[in-house]
Amino acid sequence: DAGVIQSPRHEVTEMGQEVTLRCKPISGHNSLFWYRQTMMRGLELLIYFNNNVPIDDSGMPEDRFSAKMPNASFSTLKIQPSEPRDSAVYFCASSLQTGLKLFFGSGTQLSVL
Amino acid sequence: TQLLEQSPQFLSIQEGENLTVYCNSSSVFSSLQWYRQEPGEGPVLLVTVVTGGEVKKLKRLTFQFGDARKDSSLHITAAQPGDTGLYLCAGVSGTASKLTFGTGTRLQVTL
Repeated sequence: DAGVIQSPRHEVTEMGQEVTLRCKPISGHNSLFWYRQTMMRGLELLIYFNNNVPIDDSGMPEDRFSAKMPNASFSTLKIQPSEPRDSAVYFCASSLQTGLKLFFGSGTQLSVL
Repeated sequence: TQLLEQSPQFLSIQEGENLTVYCNSSSVFSSLQWYRQEPGEGPVLLVTVVTGGEVKKLKRLTFQFGDARKDSSLHITAAQPGDTGLYLCAGVSGTASKLTFGTGTRLQVTL
């Protein structure tokens, strides 16, 4: 079975550019999470969806960040405009229910120059 | 914000040694999970503990949930190079139903 699929694996962009990260959760999972990981702050929850509806976006750093889940098999995390401090690994994860086992994708390594 | 502090932050040991990683919080969790993350990959769930005082074993790994469900430990017996990775605890709060990850323990096991 395919796991959580994220694209791209690596993204290098210049400050001010728009960045879109993509995620395909495991089929049948109804909860989807976006996390950001840095050495300084560890793994931080940005936003999570339940049945395609955003439930908690309190972790989204600022208005430059937005996330959508138009259907059960696709989600995007957009940063516009990007800044160097956004450089991190962004993970998408899905689960059957919130609070249960999370399956993580391989992440997107974002570098904003 | 519920914080989960892990200790130690870094641990470098030789093959065959034993080690314990701790995960502490001032908050009570309905359950606690342990993940291992290898370079270039996402975390992978190792175990979930639910009951205060619960002990679970996974081969050479022993996980314990504190009686008050505020802390947990991971003990590895006779560590092997394949145990190398970032170990993360994650707590589930009953009200929020979302995972809060700990600060992580980076383990390196050398030959």
